[in-house]
Amino acid sequence: DAGITQSPRHKVTETGTPVTLRCHQTENHRYMYWYRQDPGHGLRLIHYSYGVKDTDKGEVSDGYSVSRSKTEDFLLTLESATSSQTSVYFCAIRPAYTSYNEQFFGPGTRLTVL
Amino acid sequence: GQNIDQPTEMTATEGAIVQINCTYQTSGFNGLFWYQQHAGEAPTFLSYNVLDGLEEKGRFSSFLSRSKGYSYLLLKELQMKDSASYLCAVRDTGSGAGSYQLTFGKGTKLSVIP
Repeated sequence: DAGITQSPRHKVTETGTPVTLRCHQTENHRYMYWYRQDPGHGLRLIHYSYGVKDTDKGEVSDGYSVSRSKTEDFLLTLESATSSQTSVYFCAIRPAYTSYNEQFFGPGTRLTVL
Repeated sequence: GQNIDQPTEMTATEGAIVQINCTYQTSGFNGLFWYQQHAGEAPTFLSYNVLDGLEEKGRFSSFLSRSKGYSYLLLKELQMKDSASYLCAVRDTGSGAGSYQLTFGKGTKLSVIP
């Protein structure tokens, strides 16, 4: 357990509404990541952060924005949710102290867009 | 870019040995990871290879051949709790903040039967 929590854990929303998912970590890790996981696609990187106010796009960033105003929180926002954004969203961190620089994942948020 | 292939599903018998293959074509390579993911849960780190050869960790071993773009995960003395998806992920050679990004395969769902 790398001290990662995600909220909410489950959410059902309607097309066109804004949605914000939160990833919270307690160990001051610099690197944080947002992935989505869909059947037939595996885990795909949406956005990542390498420090406060430092973020960059991943493979599937269209329709998503992120913010990191403090070290412990990395927010993922869907400005206007679409049904194609129904997915399981995982946050991950990469500690600096591990041997392999592996990533550790939060418990996930299951989002359904109707 | 990265292209990672793994079998979609495998079935094996309790107590047996199973090998899960992963092939990759990449523009850069800086290590290969294996993760385990039980249904409805987050991925958890299993193993890491960056040099050719076999890495053993208890019942699990992972092999890498960089020249062939090939890795496998070997699970011995299979137990029912090993039923899970196994994700192969390649780390690229990006520099600066973009380094250490992972690209995941679609995962192999392993079912262990009595």
